[in-house]
Amino acid sequence: EVQLVESGGALVKPGGSLRLSCTASGFDFSNVYMNWVRQSPEKGLEWIALIHRDVDSRPSLYPTPVRGRFTISRDDSRNTLYLQMNSLKIEDTAVYYCSSQGYLGELTGWGQGTLVTVSS
Amino acid sequence: EIVLTQSPGTLSLSPGERATLSCRASQSVHNNYLAWYQQKPGQSPKLLISGASRRATGIPDRFIGSGSGTDFTLTISRLEPEDFAVYYCQQYGDSPIFTFGPGTKVDIK
Repeated sequence: EVQLVESGGALVKPGGSLRLSCTASGFDFSNVYMNWVRQSPEKGLEWIALIHRDVDSRPSLYPTPVRGRFTISRDDSRNTLYLQMNSLKIEDTAVYYCSSQGYLGELTGWGQGTLVTVSS
Repeated sequence: EIVLTQSPGTLSLSPGERATLSCRASQSVHNNYLAWYQQKPGQSPKLLISGASRRATGIPDRFIGSGSGTDFTLTISRLEPEDFAVYYCQQYGDSPIFTFGPGTKVDIK
């Protein structure tokens, strides 16, 4: 059974930094593209980062709102996905989910989410 | 950027009825890489359909995905009490890589 468990969400001030983690189990983590998706009442579901497999040697991808501020990474030896978030803005407030990706671009597994609140 | 529009915003139906949810894309979805998710309050989204019409593992056959190009439909043939939730469509392939629709809420009439 696919299990994804996020952690690291917190209350942080604008301009601050935060690192989220996601521990995976129940599938071959190293062979799967992984993503971070966030959800807020204002913007709904919003994809924010994709990381390919290490063997693909392809750059990670980000949408415009977070590019240059967020960095996705993975440690296949620990079955763990990370999201480093810098220069946080109020509009980054959301529940952050990690998600595994399938062959047709679907998001097959989701964690329970971790809440990030950016507020002064 | 592909924009996904879902209609209706809310669908009020009774158990046993048929639900028809629409997802329209502003441009053709690459290879029909269109997925549907169900989300209940306090839970994360759950994959129902991928590739426009392929049911995910364990999803009952009352959930039917159809469509191609820019017009896609999720049909729930006969609503069960546990089906009342919010449903999202999502496309993969264009920049940004993933986009989601705003959702359709199916609530009990």
